[in-house]
Amino acid sequence: EAGVAQSPRYKIIEKRQSVAFWCNPISGHATLYWYQQILGQGPKLLIQFQNNGVVDDSQLPKDRFSAERLKGVDSTLKIQPAKLEDSAVYLCASSLLGTGNFYEQYFGPGTRLTVT
Amino acid sequence: AQKITQTQPGMFVQEKEAVTLDCTYDTSDQSYGLFWYKQPSSGEMIFLIYQGSYDEQNATEGRYSLNFQKARKSANLVISASQLGDSAMYFCAMREESGYSTLTFGKGTMLLVSP
Repeated sequence: EAGVAQSPRYKIIEKRQSVAFWCNPISGHATLYWYQQILGQGPKLLIQFQNNGVVDDSQLPKDRFSAERLKGVDSTLKIQPAKLEDSAVYLCASSLLGTGNFYEQYFGPGTRLTVT
Repeated sequence: AQKITQTQPGMFVQEKEAVTLDCTYDTSDQSYGLFWYKQPSSGEMIFLIYQGSYDEQNATEGRYSLNFQKARKSANLVISASQLGDSAMYFCAMREESGYSTLTFGKGTMLLVSP
């Protein structure tokens, strides 16, 4: 079974530039998550999709970040314009749509963004 | 208040010894789940073990076990017989019934296993 795919793996941009990250979840996984992981911290959820609808985007800085999941499969996260504090690893994860507390989230390898 | 607290920034252990990584949590939900993830230097988060709030037995998965003390709100990870490949960041996380399937992570503990 193929895992969660992300691209690019690394990206270096200057502040005020734009950048986009792509994620392809595991086939059949209805739920997709984007996390931001700043160096030395745990991942923080930015946005969660269920199929192609947004479930939770309460921590997404909407003035500069946007995300979409067209057709309920792959997803794109965009930052425009980037700030120095956006330097982080952006992790995508997916899970089956389940009930109860346990449904494992499978993570991709992440995209390491450096804003100079 | 932090929902997940990991007080050990770093831990050292010798190969073949056991090590305990601490995690305390804060929630008012009666139903919740606790997770441990491993993040090697490659960056990918690897699921290790899960404990449900209603589970009476401590979870075990191979060399990993979760020491769940509900009254103290702690969910410590125990790794038995450490291996060099266990060197990584370890994150404790929680999902609350009142939140969708959102995971809230702690800041992590860096584990270094020496020969």
